[in-house]
Amino acid sequence: AQKITQTQPGMFVQEKEAVTLDCTYDTSDQSYGLFWYKQPSSGEMIFLIYQGSYDEQNATEGRYSLNFQKARKSANLVISASQLGDSAMYFCAMTSTGANSKLTFGKGITLSVRP
Amino acid sequence: DAGVIQSPRHEVTEMGQEVTLRCKPISGHDYLFWYRQTMMRGLELLIYFNNNVPIDDSGMPEDRFSAKMPNASFSTLKIQPSEPRDSAVYFCASSLAVKTTEAFFGQGTRLTVV
Repeated sequence: AQKITQTQPGMFVQEKEAVTLDCTYDTSDQSYGLFWYKQPSSGEMIFLIYQGSYDEQNATEGRYSLNFQKARKSANLVISASQLGDSAMYFCAMTSTGANSKLTFGKGITLSVRP
Repeated sequence: DAGVIQSPRHEVTEMGQEVTLRCKPISGHDYLFWYRQTMMRGLELLIYFNNNVPIDDSGMPEDRFSAKMPNASFSTLKIQPSEPRDSAVYFCASSLAVKTTEAFFGQGTRLTVV
């Protein structure tokens, strides 16, 4: 079984500063994928970044980077130069490459960017 | 492509009524997921399909819930009879290869059962 854990309470960050959102996971599979999604107040789910378990380098997409520490089973999202529009709920998710390819989400973290 | 299309966007129904939520995935995507989102339980996976075949329905809460995918371009999630605790936002998502690429979500259906 796979499990995603996001335990941070609501996060606050000052505009233009960097922020790290924590995510830990648990799986018995050797090959898996990790994802981050953003859900603004309007409700849509927006894909941000993907990291494969065998990728040697941390994934980056613009201001988003994923701090992947395989031994610790953590996949933290780093947002650099925060913007007001980054205020949203952020979800970490994973899927395994085993027979069961379910895409499982964590509980999410609320991020508020202060001007 | 127009993305994943869900209908209706909002549904208000009375307890005991049948509710059918609809989803059109992105053309060519092999995987289709149904999620339910509530404040208390977060984003729960209800069921997912691969090539129109249900693979894992362990998240379906009760026999009142059923999902079908009669063809590659259409899926339904039915609740019969509906109850107030079913009130939630229901998302459909599709993916080309969920193991290595992202899933694309529809706009969701906000269901209110009164």
